Amino acid sequence: AQSVTQPDIHITVSEGASLELRCNYSYGATPYLFWYVQSPGQGLQLLLKYFSGDTLVQGIKGFEAEFKRSQSSFNLRKPSVHWSDAAEYFCAVGASYGNKLVFGAGTILRVKS
Amino acid sequence: DGGITQSPKYLFRKEGQNVTLSCEQNLNHDAMYWYRQDPGQGLRLIYYSQIVNDFQKGDIAEGYSVSREKKESFPLTVTSAQKNPTAFYLCASSEGQGRETQYFGPGTRLLVL
Repeated sequence: AQSVTQPDIHITVSEGASLELRCNYSYGATPYLFWYVQSPGQGLQLLLKYFSGDTLVQGIKGFEAEFKRSQSSFNLRKPSVHWSDAAEYFCAVGASYGNKLVFGAGTILRVKS
Repeated sequence: DGGITQSPKYLFRKEGQNVTLSCEQNLNHDAMYWYRQDPGQGLRLIYYSQIVNDFQKGDIAEGYSVSREKKESFPLTVTSAQKNPTAFYLCASSEGQGRETQYFGPGTRLLVL
């Protein structure tokens, strides 16, 4: 069965600094991977996804993520964080059968001015 | 605008009471999902439905029930058998059963009186 680990529960960065959120997955076959963002009390918004092909994927709001098969990782990055990026971020991995997703526990991002 | 709506935004349940959460989508998606979110635990799958009149249990189905009589609707009933129902409930949908992106509604927060 697939699983996802987000090692950092909370991360605090200064506005304008770069950001990297870590995601490690466990899945026997080629996974498909997502990053979602959630503002307090809201639903999840898709940031980006990886299904196949280029291992560096671009998403909305200036985010990107890199799929590294050898490290079973799919880390999310942004070169310059804005105060509006403060939210909770979830990594998810999917299997091809039944389109079931498994989510990580999430990383709460705080942005200080 | 196409999207997923969930109602109500807040729901209060008394001891021994069944309550039903509504989820409607106008995206013409075949598949729909219910997740439960608790702080620090990410999202856990309760039930999912890949086509009308068919649904499967997810990882935490005990104490919940669903129906899928129409393509656009997937209501979730939290029964009195669910002893710890306080959580944030998210509904999602996707086009089909393969490697599809799931899109989320705004959520319903269930509280116990």
